Formats: sequence, C-alpha cells, structure tokens
Amino acid sequence: ETGVTQTPRHLVMGMTNKKSLKCEQHLGHNAMYWYKQSAKKPLELMFVYNFKEQTENNSVPSRFSPECPNSSHLFLHLHTLQPEDSALYLCASSRRGGFAGGYGDTQYFGPGTRLTVL
Amino acid sequence: QQQVKQSPQSLIVQKGGISIINCAYENTAFDYFPWYQQFPGKGPALLIAIRPDVSEKKEGRFTISFNKSAKQFSLHIMDSQPGDSATYFCAASKPAGIGGATNKLIFGTGTLLAVQP
Repeated sequence: ETGVTQTPRHLVMGMTNKKSLKCEQHLGHNAMYWYKQSAKKPLELMFVYNFKEQTENNSVPSRFSPECPNSSHLFLHLHTLQPEDSALYLCASSRRGGFAGGYGDTQYFGPGTRLTVL
Repeated sequence: QQQVKQSPQSLIVQKGGISIINCAYENTAFDYFPWYQQFPGKGPALLIAIRPDVSEKKEGRFTISFNKSAKQFSLHIMDSQPGDSATYFCAASKPAGIGGATNKLIFGTGTLLAVQP
C-alpha cells in the first residue's frame, strides 16, 4: 500500500451505533489530519495531530473522538451521531512535524470514508 | 478573516479552451496558496501551489496568477481536456500549532469543471 489509505470506504450507521474510521499513511509523515467534506461546503478541518499529539481541535462535537496511537495511524471514533454528520470524511498527512517553521507543507489526502447516518 | 472565497461554483468549457477559477482571501497571514484537484471517489490531490512573493507559477498547462495587493489568486487551465473534468479547490494556509509545526489549510467551496469534447 502506498500513500494514505482509509477504511472503510463506505459506512452506514444508526444514530445509536458506535463505529470507527481508520486512516493509515505510508509516507513517513509526522502530521495527520481529519477533514469533513459536505456538499457545496469548504472542506472543514476537524483535528490535527503532530507527532501523535493533538494540536488542533476545530470546535468539533464530542461525538467525534480522534485517536492517534502513532504517526502512521489515525482513528476517528464515532458515537451518537446525527443525520447532519453524514459526509465524506477525509484523512490527510504531511511531512512537517517539528519546529521547522516555513511553509509549503503539502497535505496528501486519502480517498475518504463516505458516512451515512440514518 | 479565515475564509477563502471561490468562484464560479461550476464551469463548462469546450475542449481546447481556457478554464479560469478565481479565489479571494482576507487574512494577510496566509503564506501558501495551493490548488487541489479532486476526482469522484478520490481525495483531493495537490495540483500546483504558489508563495505570496511570486506573481505567477506555471506547471505544464496549469498556471496560478497571484495578486498580493488585491488578495486574489486564480487558476488557469490552458488547452483544457476532458480528463481535466474534476472539482478544483483553492486553499490558503499559514503555520499553526506550536512553533508553526503544522499548517492549517482553509479551503474554498470548490469549482466543478466539466470539459466538453
């Protein structure tokens, strides 16, 4: 496997279910990201992890719970979701993970998980 | 201040024509302006990017024009091909987190480009 992979690709869940999305990057990157993509809306950054530490939580509801056990894996645990949470959830990774500063740190995206909440 | 405004929402171009997508931003702290291309069923992929100290960057048929004083930038696709049909997102970013260790991308709403044969 190369690049950024995400599983499952499609997920249908009820509002009372608990499920998890998985992301794995094979690029040796240090930073990982979760985004939400809804129709006709900008991609919304949800969480950022840098060297396994969460550095950004963009006011995401607590029914979304991220986990980053190492720099290669990122999970998004879902519970008690609402129908408006139905969207494409994208994972991304980037090289930057230290105090290098600068800019142009390209983010590489996975194919996403299409989530439908009934 | 954090928004990136993108237009048009959709665009139809004939094969061989020029596709132009425009974006505008407010936050002068942005220091990196990438364009992403997304095909159905795929995640966005970096197409081309520009720094604010450069007014134009060209890679093959793709050109970014950047106007720092107007806080606007645009993507031009020359000799558009049916294979270019995709959704295009502009974005802007600035260093974020401790010591600027990560970058926070702010995306536009996307432009659905259809190139007709």
